[in-house]
Amino acid sequence: KAGVTQTPRYLIKTRGQQVTLSCSPISGHRSVSWYQQTPGQGLQFLFEYFSETQRNKGNFPGRFSGRQFSNSRSEMNVSTLELGDSALYLCASSLALSNEQFFGPGTRLTVL
Amino acid sequence: AQSVTQLDSQVPVFEEAPVELRCNYSSSVSVYLFWYVQYPNQGLQLLLKYLSGSTLVESINGFEAEFNKSQTSFHLRKPSVHISDTAEYFCAVSVAMNYGGSQGNLIFGKGTKLSVKP
Repeated sequence: KAGVTQTPRYLIKTRGQQVTLSCSPISGHRSVSWYQQTPGQGLQFLFEYFSETQRNKGNFPGRFSGRQFSNSRSEMNVSTLELGDSALYLCASSLALSNEQFFGPGTRLTVL
Repeated sequence: AQSVTQLDSQVPVFEEAPVELRCNYSSSVSVYLFWYVQYPNQGLQLLLKYLSGSTLVESINGFEAEFNKSQTSFHLRKPSVHISDTAEYFCAVSVAMNYGGSQGNLIFGKGTKLSVKP
């Protein structure tokens, strides 16, 4: 079974731009969660989607948004990028009623 | 609210020495406990998890962790480490749900960088 895939793996943007990151979950997984990892704040939960609905949201500003498609693939969008948005963005998928999340390799976003 | 504290940000050890990575958590509701490992430039891999039952859980590569409810701890141990164990280790919790699953948001500690020296 293929693992969680994230595209692109690396991204460089400038302040004020917007960015869209993509995540394809493991086949059969319907829940997708997103996390931001930075050296200062560590791993922080952004949001979780299940069956195209946002089920849970972390404490991030409205510039961070996401969505999930009918095939369970998910995208997250960050608008009006700030320098502090530079981070590794990790996506994780899980089965519907599971307690175990499987992580992708991440997208490293650099904001200049 | 839940929180996780990893008491050591860096742990240097020599190869074949034992190691313990400490993790304490705080929660007013039942949680599941996890240890994840992250190798450089990679995502997180689940090392082991505690859901219920025996308080001692083991991984396939020699790590073990013990859930201690009274001390709200979930320390990770390995009796003899290898160079290949060099990585960052994250302790995490998620809120347990009635149906046996958990909420989709893991709460992580700040991580412990394990450095194994020859």
